[in-house]
Amino acid sequence: GQQVMQIPQYQHVQEGEDFTTYCNSSTTLSNIQWYKQRPGGHPVFLIQLVKSGEVKKQKRLTFQFGEAKKNSSLHITATQTTDVGTYFCAGPGDSNYQLIWGAGTKLIIKP
Amino acid sequence: DAGVIQSPRHEVTEMGQEVTLRCKPISGHDYLFWYRQTMMRGLELLIYFNNNVPIDDSGMPEDRFSAKMPNASFSTLKIQPSEPRDSAVYFCASSPNHEQYFGPGTRLTVT
Repeated sequence: GQQVMQIPQYQHVQEGEDFTTYCNSSTTLSNIQWYKQRPGGHPVFLIQLVKSGEVKKQKRLTFQFGEAKKNSSLHITATQTTDVGTYFCAGPGDSNYQLIWGAGTKLIIKP
Repeated sequence: DAGVIQSPRHEVTEMGQEVTLRCKPISGHDYLFWYRQTMMRGLELLIYFNNNVPIDDSGMPEDRFSAKMPNASFSTLKIQPSEPRDSAVYFCASSPNHEQYFGPGTRLTVT
């Protein structure tokens, strides 16, 4: 069945360092979405990428969609404590409105 | 808009009891999703509705789980009888198109 693999599972960084999470799909995706879940919170929609090779920025966050539309990445420059949480990617399932979720990457800031 | 509203926020119940979780989606959103999140299994889609009609309930774990959406502004997820392995955070999400907006979740503990 369709799968969305996300790595790494955890990433520990010092505040100010960069963070990257990667998503790979077994099939070509029509779009990919990214969400952030703070500890104890709920997933919050960040962005949707649709076009092959698309790059979008939100302040220190850079989202990329691969040329083959089978992979995506989220890069955070100079992490801050407010970035702590789990970042999920999600692609459309059998129905375009149902999402297949990656397992998430937990961003942890070292004390 | 108040966002997706879920109640109760926390529920502690004894094994064998009936549990009803409630959700009010964002007005105008045609899609409603019920998810379950645990450390072991991550975020799992249980069921989703389009225009109040259940579209895919293949994620509902057992006959003990049922969901209804009697109108566009209300949905319930019922577990009867509840078991300790049902302990999890249950999220409701609504969507106008592709991106999903999550409620704060109901943390269910079955003892």
